[in-house]
Amino acid sequence: GAVVSQHPSRVICKSGTSVKIECRSLDFQATTMFWYRQFPKQSLMLMATSNEGSKATYEQGVEKDKFLINHASLTLSTLTVTSAHPEDSSFYICSALGTSTIYEQYFGPGTRLTVT
Amino acid sequence: KDQVFQPSTVASSEGAVVEIFCNHSVSNAYNFFWYLHFPGCAPRLLVKGSKPSQQGRYNMTYERFSSSLLILQVREADAAVYYCVCSGNTGKLIFGQGTTLQVKP
Repeated sequence: GAVVSQHPSRVICKSGTSVKIECRSLDFQATTMFWYRQFPKQSLMLMATSNEGSKATYEQGVEKDKFLINHASLTLSTLTVTSAHPEDSSFYICSALGTSTIYEQYFGPGTRLTVT
Repeated sequence: KDQVFQPSTVASSEGAVVEIFCNHSVSNAYNFFWYLHFPGCAPRLLVKGSKPSQQGRYNMTYERFSSSLLILQVREADAAVYYCVCSGNTGKLIFGQGTTLQVKP
């Protein structure tokens, strides 16, 4: 099956710094990737849709200047959390849209961000 | 508003058949996906489609606006969060809030 990787799997950073998370589709090309966030005991929440070569589409309530998304190639999308604060501590998961007609998404293993 | 609804918790005993029900109000949604999610790991697709489907111990029923995931011979190791998800014609997935399955030995 299709494989999606994320790096890093865990990151701890100080408040005010920026953190970049990478999402890669390893064995297929993904023109569309998605970024989700999950707070403890809550559901996965879509943050933004990332399209290769164009600007990301953000969900309501997600600050595009704080969560910078770049999708410069068909296998890589990055999420940069700028000026991170403790309330940004969360589990971030990316997914890549498959090429079948059923719109299946393949998920990465997630990145645990802790801001101190 | 596009939403997917599912119970927050379902409890069962080992060996039983568990049913997790889901319905939605998503416009232009025809496909259901059922994902298994252990916290801290990637969600794993169990079964999907726009018709009844089966993959191993996982059965999916299908109606236009509702679906059920049935887990046969449930085990303690099946205790996790199960997401019902719908997709429209843009590829965007709408997640339900997740159902925590509790399994008693």
